[in-house]
Amino acid sequence: DAGVIQSPRHEVTEMGQEVTLRCKPISGHNSLFWYRQTMMRGLELLIYFNNNVPIDDSGMPEDRFSAKMPNASFSTLKIQPSEPRDSAVYFCASSPRQGWVKNIQYFGAGTRLSVL
Amino acid sequence: GQQLNQSPQSMFIQEGEDVSMNCTSSSIFNTWLWYKQDPGEGPVLLIALYKAGELTSNGRLTAQFGITRKDSFLNISASIPSDVGIYFCAGQSEIQGAQKLVFGQGTRLTINP
Repeated sequence: DAGVIQSPRHEVTEMGQEVTLRCKPISGHNSLFWYRQTMMRGLELLIYFNNNVPIDDSGMPEDRFSAKMPNASFSTLKIQPSEPRDSAVYFCASSPRQGWVKNIQYFGAGTRLSVL
Repeated sequence: GQQLNQSPQSMFIQEGEDVSMNCTSSSIFNTWLWYKQDPGEGPVLLIALYKAGELTSNGRLTAQFGITRKDSFLNISASIPSDVGIYFCAGQSEIQGAQKLVFGQGTRLTINP
């Protein structure tokens, strides 16, 4: 099993540019989660999907952030326009089955974003 | 919102020593999880706890789900250099059919050989 795959691993961009982060969940998993990790705020849930449908986006910081899941094997997190305070490590996680108490989230290696 | 208080924030120990860290919450969770994060990687699950009072071991790791469902601890016995990293507790609850995680702030473990 390849695990959750995220790309790119590192992204450096200039303020105002559009940034797109990509995630391929583990095959067969029904739920997908996007997290942001910073020194100040730790790991924060941004949004999650069940069966490709966004369920809760209350963690998305502002309208500059958007996420999509066009099919069961792919999701994107887009920031437009990017700002220096968006610099963080962004993680994608997937879990195998919704509504099951032993449902465990598996994390990708993350994308380290630096906005200059 | 839900918050987890994890302590200590950092630990500096000698190789071979035992380690203990814990998490407390103002909310009840139906599952407690402990993850470890190595530099440049995502969190990896170490132990999952599903029942209040449950005590579970995974090699040198032992974790317990508090009886009130608002706390958990993780112990590491006889630490070795590869135990270095950041340890996170996480409380899991079901929201609209998905298992949502709330993470503690992490415990950074440093081991002197």
